[in-house]
Amino acid sequence: QKEVEQNSGPLSVPEGAIASLNCTYSDRGSQSFFWYRQYSGKSPELIMSIYSNGDKEDGRFTAQLNKASQYVSLLIRDSQPSDSATYLCAVENTGFQKLVFGTGTRLLVSP
Amino acid sequence: GAGVSQSPRYKVAKRGQDVALRCDPISGHVSLFWYQQALGQGPEFLTYFQNEAQLDKSGLPSDRFFAERPEGSVSTLKIQRTQQEDSAVYLCASSLDEGSQYYNEQFFGPGTRLTVL
Repeated sequence: QKEVEQNSGPLSVPEGAIASLNCTYSDRGSQSFFWYRQYSGKSPELIMSIYSNGDKEDGRFTAQLNKASQYVSLLIRDSQPSDSATYLCAVENTGFQKLVFGTGTRLLVSP
Repeated sequence: GAGVSQSPRYKVAKRGQDVALRCDPISGHVSLFWYQQALGQGPEFLTYFQNEAQLDKSGLPSDRFFAERPEGSVSTLKIQRTQQEDSAVYLCASSLDEGSQYYNEQFFGPGTRLTVL
């Protein structure tokens, strides 16, 4: 079992729809959770961080964390073609500093 | 302000050559990380520095890989006797000092794409 699991996709949604990206992790000691966006040929770009259970909203993005279920998700409202990218879930176990990444979910937003 | 910078952006090496990859972290960032990303995969941790101290090198795949950060700023990842399986994108990230609310948010540089022939 991988430490951080994501569906590789592609997840296809029409423009204007809500895209829902999911991630599960295995280490119950994990304290910090991140979503990165990576365009093809580019490096990961941090878009959301979340540290406590519940929802965290930033513009069109909402991150959701459920530590009991070891589950973190990212919702993108009003999806745009420019949101088409690979979304990486990353988990940090406090004290170890390093990030453990999933393999990413490829999102395709069609006009 | 300036982000994380890396050089070179692209490197082609013949098998057996040594390579050195450079990372300039964001000014004021104490922590520096190296990751390796293979095609279609997420980044994988290689090593971590806090200032000049290398606190974790558990991800370095072999003793051919060596990293340093002698003055607590610029870091170099060196790969000796490169092999074809070393071909990947090498990413550097930095984060703020512990004590800030966002100390552990890591920001990535553009990466160095290494191709070993």
